[in-house]
Amino acid sequence: SQTIHQWPATLVQPVGSPLSLECTVEGTSNPNLYWYRQAAGRGLQLLFYSVGIGQISSEVPQNLSASRPQDRQFILSSKKLLLSDSGFYLCAWSVRSGGYTFGSGTRLTVV
Amino acid sequence: EDKVVQSPLSLVVHEGDTVTLNCSYEVTNFRSLLWYKQEKKAPTFLFMLTSSGIEKKSGRLSSILDKKELFSILNITATQTGDSAVYLCAVEGSSNTGKLIFGQGTTLQVKP
Repeated sequence: SQTIHQWPATLVQPVGSPLSLECTVEGTSNPNLYWYRQAAGRGLQLLFYSVGIGQISSEVPQNLSASRPQDRQFILSSKKLLLSDSGFYLCAWSVRSGGYTFGSGTRLTVV
Repeated sequence: EDKVVQSPLSLVVHEGDTVTLNCSYEVTNFRSLLWYKQEKKAPTFLFMLTSSGIEKKSGRLSSILDKKELFSILNITATQTGDSAVYLCAVEGSSNTGKLIFGQGTTLQVKP
């Protein structure tokens, strides 16, 4: 079966600390993968997407980066977190029938 | 620039009411429009619409697309407290990337 795993579920980090969020998918190969962020009371903003290993496209300028070291692994990183990086981060994978399957999300609070 | 706008941004109703949520869009080479329901965590899929005028229905929820006027509506009849959630509309343009552009969401609160 096809599943998507995202961790951790919650994270509290001080300003200036590094970040690493991981997302893995199972049951599919060469998926399109996405990182979205949702600020409180807002819709989802696309941060990065990847159509293959090592292929990363950035949608908005920011201090975050993404990497895809393996076909089914997508990582969101930051070297130094800002207060404005707080939010709900969602990993998603594009399914053939259309639309996304989402990970369970990571609630990041930068303090 | 591709854009999806939802209205209203928030709505408070009582159980048993019927609600209509709106989604308008501007996107290059429209491919599909999707509705999701989000309760605290990850959004869950409701509907995908690709053709105008064909209603999709699931229980008390239904949705329809108008590709000429570039909008969609999501109807919920006989609302229940369990319908309280954020409803997200998203649009996919035709590219190989599969990117979805999301609206701001409509926050629906159903009071007993």
